[in-house]
Amino acid sequence: EIVLTQSPATLSLSPGERATLSCRASQTVSSYLAWYQQKPGQAPRLLIYDTSNRATGIPARFSGSGSGTDFTLTISSLEPEDFAVYYCQQRSNWPPLTFGGGTKVEIK
Amino acid sequence: EVQLLESGGGLVQPGGSLRLPCAASGFTFSAYAMSWVRQAPGKGLEWVSTVTGSGGSTYYADSVKGRFTISRDNSKNTLYLQMNSLRAEDTAVYYCAKGTAAPGTFDYWGQGTLVTVSS
Repeated sequence: EIVLTQSPATLSLSPGERATLSCRASQTVSSYLAWYQQKPGQAPRLLIYDTSNRATGIPARFSGSGSGTDFTLTISSLEPEDFAVYYCQQRSNWPPLTFGGGTKVEIK
Repeated sequence: EVQLLESGGGLVQPGGSLRLPCAASGFTFSAYAMSWVRQAPGKGLEWVSTVTGSGGSTYYADSVKGRFTISRDNSKNTLYLQMNSLRAEDTAVYYCAKGTAAPGTFDYWGQGTLVTVSS
C-alpha cells in the first residue's frame, strides 16, 4: 500500500499570501496524484489531477507540480474561500487508492 | 449538470446491515467507474470500493473486504453499497464519487450520507 504523507498538518496564512502544500509518497506514484479541497460540512472537490492538470472550473491560482514521490500544491494568492482542508490522493498502484492525512489551511 | 445523491444512512447496531443507494444524473452513468469513499467524524478520507462502468470488476479496501459489496444498476443510474457485519469503526459519512476517464480519480462527489454503528 502506498502511504501519502502531507505536510504541514496546519498552515496559518493571511489572504493574499502564497500557500505551499506538500505530499510525499512512500514509493513512486509516477504522475498519478490528485488534490482535493474540502470545506466544513461539504464533500471534497477535485482541484488537480495527474499532478498538474486543473479540473473543470478551478481557478488558475491553484497549481500542482512534482513527480515520483514528491508533490506540491501551490495557491498563488489566497482568497477567503480557499481556507479549507486539502488532501492528496494517488491512483498509481491500486487497490487500494490512498489519500494523505490532509493539510488544513487556516486564517492567520 | 452532474448530480450524485446518496441515501440510506442511519443508526444501526453492531453486526447489522445497511444498503446505501446513490442516484446519479447528468452524465452517461454506464461509461464511468463509480466509487464509495468514507470519512469518519473529524478524520480524513478513506477509499472503500470501486466498480467499473460495466459492473464487471469490483475492488475493495482490506478493511471492508468480505463484509461490503458494491454494485450498480445501469438501467436505473444507481450505485449501491451493501454493508453487512457492521462495526463501530465503520461509522462515517459515506460519499459516492464518479470516476474520470482515467480510473482512480474522482471528479464529482455526492453530499454524503451518515452511517452510525452503535448499540
